[in-house]
Amino acid sequence: EDKVVQSPLSLVVHEGDTVTLNCSYEVTNFRSLLWYKQEKKAPTFLFMLTSSGIEKKSGRLSSILDKKELFSILNITATQTGDSAIYLCAVGNPNSGYALNFGKGTSLLVTP
Amino acid sequence: GAVVSQHPSWVICKSGTSVKIECRSLDFQATTMFWYRQFPKQSLMLMATSNEGSKATYEQGVEKDKFLINHASLTLSTLTVTSAHPEDSSFYICSAGGAGVVVNEQFFGPGTRLTVL
Repeated sequence: EDKVVQSPLSLVVHEGDTVTLNCSYEVTNFRSLLWYKQEKKAPTFLFMLTSSGIEKKSGRLSSILDKKELFSILNITATQTGDSAIYLCAVGNPNSGYALNFGKGTSLLVTP
Repeated sequence: GAVVSQHPSWVICKSGTSVKIECRSLDFQATTMFWYRQFPKQSLMLMATSNEGSKATYEQGVEKDKFLINHASLTLSTLTVTSAHPEDSSFYICSAGGAGVVVNEQFFGPGTRLTVL
């Protein structure tokens, strides 16, 4: 059975801190790993990773994939209160039309 | 980026009634749409995959007679919760992928919050 495990489940940091969120996976037919940010509504897309070792960056957020060790990390530097959200990691399953298998998420709270 | 809309945004209904939720891809043709459900403080769980013009594929444990999915066109999929009960109260989110978007990238609708009294 495919599994996506995120850690930690919950994190509280001060503004300005750097955080690293982890996602490990076990899937039978890996194609891509995606990161989403979810605030009060539906998830918003952050990154899609398909190749090992290539960092994707968007502002203060960056992410990298390790296909040998089967994990990905999402880094957020100089955190702001607006970064408070649930961060979801998902793996696409090409055998079911690329339906996404989500981890349970990491709930991040950034305090002023 | 591709835009997906859902309607309604939230709905409150009495137990035993049926509720229809629409998911539309606004600027691309969605050959595949996915329906997810999210209970409070939990992650998104895939309910079903629908391909335009064919029957939906349901995940294990999801009752196909209770959650009717129709994907009649390349821009519209509907989820009907039949005879809704309080335990069906949840956040329902659709996503779409297909022609005109990067393969295996999905775009999510804003979600529909269903409360069954």
